[in-house]
Amino acid sequence: QQQVKQSPQSLIVQKGGISIINCAYENTAFDYFPWYQQFPGKGPALLIAIRPDVSEKKEGRFTISFNKSAKQFSLHIMDSQPGDSATYFCAATSGTYKYIFGTGTRLKVLA
Amino acid sequence: DAMVIQNPRYQVTQFGKPVTLSCSQTLNHNVMYWYQQKSSQAPKLLFHYYDKDFNNEADTPDNFQSRRPNTSFCFLDIRSPGLGDAAMYLCATSGARNEQFFGPGTRLTVL
Repeated sequence: QQQVKQSPQSLIVQKGGISIINCAYENTAFDYFPWYQQFPGKGPALLIAIRPDVSEKKEGRFTISFNKSAKQFSLHIMDSQPGDSATYFCAATSGTYKYIFGTGTRLKVLA
Repeated sequence: DAMVIQNPRYQVTQFGKPVTLSCSQTLNHNVMYWYQQKSSQAPKLLFHYYDKDFNNEADTPDNFQSRRPNTSFCFLDIRSPGLGDAAMYLCATSGARNEQFFGPGTRLTVL
């Protein structure tokens, strides 16, 4: 029940295309859902996050869509660029300060 | 800029030789975390502090210890590193809004 399932494991997108990464959770106590971007040899960087009181949040080219009834959330990267090539992790947490991470998606954007 | 700082960025040690990794933060966050990350995997939580309260994960080996002498600093001690402990070690912090920020990581090599 503590798992966050992330898919796909890897994704190849053409420059200018839309990248979509999905996550699903079971624990209805989760109340904060961040996405992290990690480049090789670097620490994960907080990209965008959402709380369950809204269904969508957009920051620049990055959008989180949240479906509370389905217990799913997804990251959409519009106009994907080669510089977006990285590993993306979804995560979820409740008030316990413990974060449960998805298994990660390795995104490659072709020039 | 407020941030999470880790030193050193790269650490080489010999099998069985104790090593200490350090983390400092200027965010004044209550919670500090240590994660272990092996290549292409999600970060694995080792332990976290809420202020001075220490929370150890059940599957964290006894070989790993931690100290938090004050709000700003946290240390990870690996008492007898084995080859399997070679990894990226990530420090993170979290505050009242639940947002978690990672440091750049320390890459540990065990010879």
